[in-house]
Amino acid sequence: QKEVEQNSGPLSVPEGAIASLNCTYSDRGSQSFFWYRQYSGKSPELIMFIYSNGDKEDGRFTAQLNKASQYVSLLIRDSQPSDSATYLCASRDDKIIFGKGTRLHILP
Amino acid sequence: NAGVMQNPRHLVRRRGQEARLRCSPMKGHSHVYWYRQLPEEGLKFMVYLQKENIIDESGMPKERFSAEFPKEGPSILRIQQVVRGDSAAYFCASSPEKGALEYGYTFGSGTRLTVV
Repeated sequence: QKEVEQNSGPLSVPEGAIASLNCTYSDRGSQSFFWYRQYSGKSPELIMFIYSNGDKEDGRFTAQLNKASQYVSLLIRDSQPSDSATYLCASRDDKIIFGKGTRLHILP
Repeated sequence: NAGVMQNPRHLVRRRGQEARLRCSPMKGHSHVYWYRQLPEEGLKFMVYLQKENIIDESGMPKERFSAEFPKEGPSILRIQQVVRGDSAAYFCASSPEKGALEYGYTFGSGTRLTVV
């Protein structure tokens, strides 16, 4: 059974600080990884993808992948109240498998 | 360029009725995926379809659930004889091709099914 594991949170981070979200995956055959943001009552929105070991930066977001440890993370710099949402980690080989998500709360 | 279109947005059904959920993929996308999200849960894969073909239905319950993606028209997720446990948000996503590994799915706005 292919699985993606995340801490459900909530993770509370002060405004302006760095939020760090983590996940692990079970399938070594997974080839690409994604972070989606989902606001309450809304559909998931793709914010980052990564498929090579190391870091990938896009604005305030940095995704990190370590295939040897089967570990993916997302860093959000200069956290804003609008970043408060559930963040879904996902892995893909033939289809995308999602974790249950981590609820992030940015404290004003 | 319209995104993934799902309708209806909200659907209320009595126990035992049928629910039909529709999804039109983004223009140029030929792959459709259906996911279910229970309250406070993650997205669970249900089925992956291409035009006129079911590619992977490993996440579909064996009974009462079916899906199709005809040559013309939207993809349909059909739930027969609904029960209260079917109450959930059902999301459809599309992608242009299977081989684009860096391509995440684009999701529709979802159909929120409530069984009363």
